Amino acid sequence: AQSVTQLDSQVPVFEEAPVELRCNYSSSVSVYLFWYVQYPNQGLQLLLKYLSGSTLVKGINGFEAEFNKSQTSFHLRKPSVHISDTAEYFCAVSEGAQKLVFGQGTRLTINP
Amino acid sequence: DVKVTQSSRYLVKRTGEKVFLECVQDMDHENMFWYRQDPGLGLRLIYFSYDVKMKEKGDIPEGYSVSREKKERFSLILESASTNQTSMYLCASSLWASSYEQYFGPGTRLTVT
Repeated sequence: AQSVTQLDSQVPVFEEAPVELRCNYSSSVSVYLFWYVQYPNQGLQLLLKYLSGSTLVKGINGFEAEFNKSQTSFHLRKPSVHISDTAEYFCAVSEGAQKLVFGQGTRLTINP
Repeated sequence: DVKVTQSSRYLVKRTGEKVFLECVQDMDHENMFWYRQDPGLGLRLIYFSYDVKMKEKGDIPEGYSVSREKKERFSLILESASTNQTSMYLCASSLWASSYEQYFGPGTRLTVT
C-alpha cells in the first residue's frame, strides 16, 4: 500500500518569505500526485496535480511543485507567501482504483 | 463548478445514538468517498463507492456503515456513536477515470458526548 510522509507538521514563516513544504511517498511505480489546501473551517481544494510530463507543476495562488521520481518526492514551493496562505496543506498520491492516500498535513503559519 | 454539500457543518450527539451524515454532489460523479480528519493523522478513508448500491471498505470502517441509493447521494452512518468518533468528517467525489482528482465538501464537525 502507498504511504505519504509530510516531513513537517508545522511551518512558520514571515510574510513575503519563500516556503517549501516537503512530501515523500513510498511507491516506485507510476503515480499521480496532488497537493490540496484547507483554509480554516473549509473543505479541501486542489492546489495542483502531477499526472505526467513536465516535472515542474504550477498551481493556483502562485504555488508550484516539483516531481522527483528518483527521490520519490513532490515538494511544494512558493517564492513569496502572503498572510492569506495560512492554511493546512495536504499531499496525496494515487492508489489502486480511484483512491487517494493523504499525508498527515502541514500547517503553514504566516507571521507579519 | 462541482459542488459537494454536506447536510450539517456542526453536529453534537450523545453516546449510543445512531448518526446519519449526508453528502450530495451535483456533477454526476461515479465515485464518492467518506474520510475522517484528525489532527496529526491527516485524512483517513472510511468507505467509498464506485456506483449506486456499491460500497467498499476503506482503511478504518469499524463502527461505520454507508448507503448509496442514488448516484448523487452518499450517506455515512454511525450505528452507535462513541466518543472516539468525535472528528471532522469530509465527503468527496470524483469522476471515474478522471486522474483521481477528488472534490470535497465543507466537512461536518461531529462531537459525541
